[in-house]
Amino acid sequence: AQSVTQPDIHITVSEGASLELRCNYSYGATPYLFWYVQSPGQGLQLLLKYFSGDTLVQGIKGFEAEFKRSQSSFNLRKPSVHWSDAAEYFCAVGGNSGNTPLVFGKGTRLSVIA
Amino acid sequence: DSGVTQTPKHLITATGQRVTLRCSPRSGDLSVYWYQQSLDQGLQFLIQYYNGEERAKGNILERFSAQQFPDLHSELNLSSLELGDSALYFCASSVRGLAESTDTQYFGPGTRLTVL
Repeated sequence: AQSVTQPDIHITVSEGASLELRCNYSYGATPYLFWYVQSPGQGLQLLLKYFSGDTLVQGIKGFEAEFKRSQSSFNLRKPSVHWSDAAEYFCAVGGNSGNTPLVFGKGTRLSVIA
Repeated sequence: DSGVTQTPKHLITATGQRVTLRCSPRSGDLSVYWYQQSLDQGLQFLIQYYNGEERAKGNILERFSAQQFPDLHSELNLSSLELGDSALYFCASSVRGLAESTDTQYFGPGTRLTVL
């Protein structure tokens, strides 16, 4: 069965500092991987996705993620965090069939301090 | 704005009642998914419809049901509500929802259900 682990429940970083949010997945075949962001009181916004090809994917808002098959990881990174990045971040895995629903991690809450 | 709309935004009701949540997918999207987000369970998949037919089922309770109409909007019906049903309910849509490698789900803003 598919599963996603986000080891960090809450992370606090200073504005301007770099960020890495961890995501490990378990899936029997080639996974399709996603990062979504949820701001307070908002829905889920897609940051980036990985289906195939280049293992380093670029997303919106300056985020990027790297797929590492050997480590079953898909970590999200940003070189310089802005206060507006404070939100909840969810990693999700889906299969190569549209019939496969997304399985989400528990989320990582990011706080940004001045 | 993802293009997926959900109504109502907030819903407060009592135990034992029945409510209906509505979702309109992005223009052209044929597939609709429902997810429940609660503090203890996180984001969980409930059910998927494609072009009016049920495609996949997750941990959806028997008290819950859904359907997708000919105009592709979807409704999630929750009955005999319990305190534990209080959660944020998301609808997502995607273009095809079949074996397509680039299928991506776009989420609506959610409906927050509070059961008192």
